[in-house]
Amino acid sequence: QSALTQPASVSGSPGQSITISCTGTSSDVGGYNYVSWYQQHPGKAPKLLINDVSKRPSGVSNRFSGSKSGNTASLTISGLQAEDEADYYCSSYRGSSTFNWVFGGGTKLTVL
Amino acid sequence: EVQLVESGGGLVQPGGSLRLSCAASGFTFSTWMSWVRQAPGKGLEWVANIKQDGSERYYVDSVKGRFTISRDNAKNSLYLQMNSLRVEDTAVYYCARFKHFDVWGRGTLVTVSS
Repeated sequence: QSALTQPASVSGSPGQSITISCTGTSSDVGGYNYVSWYQQHPGKAPKLLINDVSKRPSGVSNRFSGSKSGNTASLTISGLQAEDEADYYCSSYRGSSTFNWVFGGGTKLTVL
Repeated sequence: EVQLVESGGGLVQPGGSLRLSCAASGFTFSTWMSWVRQAPGKGLEWVANIKQDGSERYYVDSVKGRFTISRDNAKNSLYLQMNSLRVEDTAVYYCARFKHFDVWGRGTLVTVSS
């Protein structure tokens, strides 16, 4: 089961906005509105940022937003802050003969 | 406080077995639950899901027939029985609340090596 495709790394300066893409197929990202995004700092557990493509859980900063177009989902972080430096992962339900979920390979965000 | 705490990880030889546990607290445990793993320096990989009453269980292809997810709702606990372990199963194993994986434990490290 191949992972969803994310860029290995992105970078931005404090105050800027960046976007991380997550590309799948019509069997996962494009076929269902079950895309989520997670932030993971080194040595820590992942933290949910966005679920169902664009819904932000309570307590998550409104600087984080999600969207989807076709088979590609995107996470946008506005007003970059130093503490945003982390790994980011997307995930999606993947419809097939069995019920399963798939993650992206992860993107390392560097705040310059 | 909503919390998941994993235990049971350790060093095991290839072909060996290990049972992971996850204790839940601070929320109603009657919800789908999952195991997700992360190999050293690698990304996240969904491993298995289990329905509230245990009647439905799903696995990633690479662990089918070797791993078994189970739960004890009376003890608010989730389990992962891992048999026929392979070197490539080496990872930090997280339990997480499904379906959004919105609550995660801190993980337990499983090392498969001779």
